[in-house]
Amino acid sequence: KAGVTQTPRYLIKTRGQQVTLSCSPISGHRSVSWYQQTPGQGLQFLFEYFSETQRNKGNFPGRFSGRQFSNSRSEMNVSTLELGDSALYLCASSVNRGGTGELFFGEGSRLTVL
Amino acid sequence: AQKITQTQPGMFVQEKEAVTLDCTYDTSDPSYGLFWYKQPSSGEMIFLIYQGSYDQQNATEGRYSLNFQKARKSANLVISASQLGDSAMYFCAMREGSGYSTLTFGKGTMLLVSP
Repeated sequence: KAGVTQTPRYLIKTRGQQVTLSCSPISGHRSVSWYQQTPGQGLQFLFEYFSETQRNKGNFPGRFSGRQFSNSRSEMNVSTLELGDSALYLCASSVNRGGTGELFFGEGSRLTVL
Repeated sequence: AQKITQTQPGMFVQEKEAVTLDCTYDTSDPSYGLFWYKQPSSGEMIFLIYQGSYDQQNATEGRYSLNFQKARKSANLVISASQLGDSAMYFCAMREGSGYSTLTFGKGTMLLVSP
């Protein structure tokens, strides 16, 4: 069974640009959530999608957005990039919302903003 | 106030020894779940073990066990018989309630296993 797949794995952007990251969850998983990991702030929740609906959102500015498609694949977009957006962006999927199911994470997309 | 506190930035242990990684949590929700994840240098978060707030027994998964002390709000991870491959960052995380998949993570503990 394929795991969570994130693309691209690495990317470099300049300030002011925008970026789109993609996440393919494990087959059958309908919940997808995104996390930002930085050395200073650690792991912070961005948003969670279930059946194409955003069910929860973390404390991030509106420059961070996401969506989920009917096949459960998800994308997140960051517009007007800032240096502080440099981070590892992790996507996780789970079978259900909540419950006792653990989140399965991808290897992440490492974004560097110059 | 921090919801998940991991007070050990780094831990050293010799191969084959046991090690305990500390985690304390703060929540007023009676229903919650506690998770431990391992993050090697590759970046992927690997699920290790889960403990539900209503579980009566401490969770165990192979060499991993969770020392759950509900009254003290602590959920320490115990790794028995450490292996070189256990060297990684370890994160404690909590999910409150049962309606979402949102996890709140601690800052992590870097574990280094020496031969």
